[in-house]
Amino acid sequence: RKEVEQDPGPFNVPEGATVAFNCTYSNSASQSFFWYRQDCRKEPKLLMSVYSSGNEDGRFTAQLNRASQYISLLIRDSKLSDSATYLCVVNKNNNDMRFGAGTRLTVKP
Amino acid sequence: NAGVTQTPKFRILKIGQSMTLQCAQDMNHNYMYWYRQDPGMGLKLIYYSVGAGITDKGEVPNGYNVSRSTTEDFPLRLELAAPSQTSVYFCASSYSNRGAKLFFGSGTQLSVL
Repeated sequence: RKEVEQDPGPFNVPEGATVAFNCTYSNSASQSFFWYRQDCRKEPKLLMSVYSSGNEDGRFTAQLNRASQYISLLIRDSKLSDSATYLCVVNKNNNDMRFGAGTRLTVKP
Repeated sequence: NAGVTQTPKFRILKIGQSMTLQCAQDMNHNYMYWYRQDPGMGLKLIYYSVGAGITDKGEVPNGYNVSRSTTEDFPLRLELAAPSQTSVYFCASSYSNRGAKLFFGSGTQLSVL
């Protein structure tokens, strides 16, 4: 089993749609969780951290379920500019961040 | 601030050749990392450093070496290039190792033929 698993997609959604991605992780001792965004042929950039109580940043909402060992990302009112690959990242220990392979999102007009 | 600067952006090597991927950051971060990203795969940690003079292996260190003589620079060395090392390499830095934001360089596309 991979340490961090994501549905690779692609998710093709129309502008304005709501879309959700899930990510599961295998190490129950993982401490920190993140979503990174990666545009085609570019470096990953931090989208948001994921906190135990859940957190929101504008149109983006992240949730953590420690019991089931998954995190989620919800995007509301999708924009064309949201088209990217979304990487789930889990901090295995302080110096070792484990990346999922990413979920590809395409938002269409 | 330039952030994290990686050079070169692209390189083609022949099997058995050597090269050094350069990485520099100007944010005074203690923590620096090298990752590789293969198509359809997550980033894999090659080596990391928690400060000048200190380096340690990550998940996939075989075939690579690093050094950290200064806080700013963290070069990655490939001694005997193999086709399995064809990948995109990203250098990253952070101000803390406790789940802090990673700042990435723009990547190096390396092909070994």
